[in-house]
Amino acid sequence: SQQGEEDPQALSIQEGENATMNCSYKTSINNLQWYRQNSGRGLVHLILIRSNEREKHSGRLRVTLDTSKKSSSLLITASRAADTASYFCLIQGAQKLVFGQGTRLTINP
Amino acid sequence: NAGVTQTPKFQVLKTGQSMTLQCAQDMNHNSMYWYRQDPGMGLRLIYYSASEGTTDKGEVPNGYNVSRLNKREFSLRLESAAPSQTSVYFCASSYTTSGGVNTGELFFGEGSRLTVL
Repeated sequence: SQQGEEDPQALSIQEGENATMNCSYKTSINNLQWYRQNSGRGLVHLILIRSNEREKHSGRLRVTLDTSKKSSSLLITASRAADTASYFCLIQGAQKLVFGQGTRLTINP
Repeated sequence: NAGVTQTPKFQVLKTGQSMTLQCAQDMNHNSMYWYRQDPGMGLRLIYYSASEGTTDKGEVPNGYNVSRLNKREFSLRLESAAPSQTSVYFCASSYTTSGGVNTGELFFGEGSRLTVL
């Protein structure tokens, strides 16, 4: 199975701090994506990193990919209350797309 | 652009009833997906369709059928609903290469909340 595993399952930090969440997987991938889900809503794409890339940035987001360890991390810098949401990694392997179980991030004012 | 539209947004069924969830996208994507999300969990793939006329099983296909009616529309049918199918269902679409590799983001609908009593 390519099921992604994310940790931590829940993370609570103060506004302004950085948040890091991790995603691990079991098989080879073509790319890995990160999504945000606000409560009760659909998922919104944040960033995609390809298997031949090691790091990507988008605004306050930084994603790394280590294919030798089969893991990726999402760093959100200078967190804001609006970043409160669940974050999911999406693993693109051979044709199928599989989500991790998510990290629930809470930003405290 | 409407993006991905799902209907209905809410539905309550009794055990054994049938229903169809509708999904349509206006982005000319070739691939479409149905996921279910249970409380506190990630999304699990039910079925996907890499192109018009083709469908494939995902992780949790039992109890469901799908139809890729045309390039725009991908429906999910519950023939005999069970309480275990109480969930939030998400439809998504994306562009994939002929080899089935997704090259970009998935676009999601807002979800259909199904309760089976």
